[in-house]
Amino acid sequence: AQKITQTQPGMFVQEKEAVTLDCTYDTSDQSYGLFWYKQPSSGEMIFLIYQGSYDEQNATEGRYSLNFQKARKSANLVISASQLGDSAMYFCAMREYFGNEKLTFGTGTRLTIIP
Amino acid sequence: DADVTQTPRNRITKTGKRIMLECSQTKGHDRMYWYRQDPGLGLRLIYYSFDVKDINKGEISDGYSVSRQAQAKFSLSLESAIPNQTALYFCATSGGTSGDNEQFFGPGTRLTVL
Repeated sequence: AQKITQTQPGMFVQEKEAVTLDCTYDTSDQSYGLFWYKQPSSGEMIFLIYQGSYDEQNATEGRYSLNFQKARKSANLVISASQLGDSAMYFCAMREYFGNEKLTFGTGTRLTIIP
Repeated sequence: DADVTQTPRNRITKTGKRIMLECSQTKGHDRMYWYRQDPGLGLRLIYYSFDVKDINKGEISDGYSVSRQAQAKFSLSLESAIPNQTALYFCATSGGTSGDNEQFFGPGTRLTVL
C-alpha cells in the first residue's frame, strides 16, 4: 500500500527566506507521480507542482521546486523567497499510474510566514 | 467560472437525515473522485468513477453512496448522516491515465452533522 509521510506538523519561517517542506513516500510501484498541493485558510486545494518517478530532473514551477531523491523516497518541496501569502497547509500526495489512480495524501504541514 | 463546482458549500444537518452533495465540472474529464478531509488526517478517497458506467469504492466508502448522472456530474449521498461524517468534502476530476494529469479540486463542502 502507498503511504505518504510528512513529519513537520507546523513550521514558522521569516518572510523572504527559503523553506523546505519534507515528504517521504512508500510504494512498491515503479511508476508513480508525486504532487504538492497548497490549502489556504479558505479551504480550496491548489495544485503547485508535479514530479514523475521517471523524471530525471527536479521539477520547478516559479518559486516552487521539488527536491526529488528517488533512492531515499523523498520529494521535498522548496519554496524560495517566501511571502506572507505562502502561509497555508501544504500536502504532499502520490498517485499510482495504474488502478484507481487515486491520490494518497500526507497529513500536511502548516506553514506560517512571519513578517 | 470555476471548472469544478460543488453544492452546497456549507451544510448543517441532523443525525439520521439523508443528504446529497453535488459536483459538476466543465473540464470534460472522465475521471471524478470524492474525498473527505478530517483534521490531521489529510484527504481520503471515498468513491471514484472513470466514466458514467464505472463506479468504484475507495478506502472509506461505508455510509456513503454515489451517482454519476452524466460525465459532468458526480453526486455523493449520505443515506443516514451520523456525527462522525462531519468533515470537509472535496470533489476532484482528472483527465486521463498520463501520470502528470493532476487532479483538479472543487472548492469543498463543509458538512456538519449534529
